[in-house]
Amino acid sequence: DVKVTQSSRYLVKRTGEKVFLECVQDMDHENMFWYRQDPGLGLRLIYFSYDVKMKEKGDIPEGYSVSREKKERFSLILESASTNQTSMYLCASSHDDRVDTEAFFGQGTRLTVV
Amino acid sequence: QKEVEQNSGPLSVPEGAIASLNCTYSDRVSQSFFWYRQYSGKSPELIMSIYSNGDKEDGRFTAQLNKASQYVSLLIRDSQPSDSATYLCAVIKDTGRRALTFGSGTRLQVQP
Repeated sequence: DVKVTQSSRYLVKRTGEKVFLECVQDMDHENMFWYRQDPGLGLRLIYFSYDVKMKEKGDIPEGYSVSREKKERFSLILESASTNQTSMYLCASSHDDRVDTEAFFGQGTRLTVV
Repeated sequence: QKEVEQNSGPLSVPEGAIASLNCTYSDRVSQSFFWYRQYSGKSPELIMSIYSNGDKEDGRFTAQLNKASQYVSLLIRDSQPSDSATYLCAVIKDTGRRALTFGSGTRLQVQP
């Protein structure tokens, strides 16, 4: 079974803190993604990566950065956390081999910024 | 206009009935279409993918795609209370970018 593991299930951070969200996948997937999910807004793409050290901005990259030093690991960084970044964060990964490639999701990290 | 639009619901159907979930998308070059199910507090999990016009069946689930009308639907036959969840429609817009674009989801309630 594909496994996408996020480092924390729940996080509480203070405004202005630098926050790291970690994601690891064990299926040698080329693509990795970070989404945030908010009520009524669905999942919105923050950043994605299709190879090591490669990254592309998604639809809402402001206030975030990412790092992909190894194929299996994709990190989301909140440089200076703000209350409007309180959300559910979901990591996903997929193969890059066909048009209907399935994305597998991690269990999610619920981040609260106070 | 949102790129992927779904009725937020809730859609309420009795047990054993057919549930029909609908989705429209705005970008004509969209390549692939997916239905994910998400239980409350859980991550999305894939139910069906479809990328050719027509119907695709898998057990109690049928996905329908009409690219001319930019419309995707999911039918759930013999609905069960365990089908109660939020159903997310997602598209891959072009082959150069494998990221999914999601609708906001339709909440389905199956009444016993």
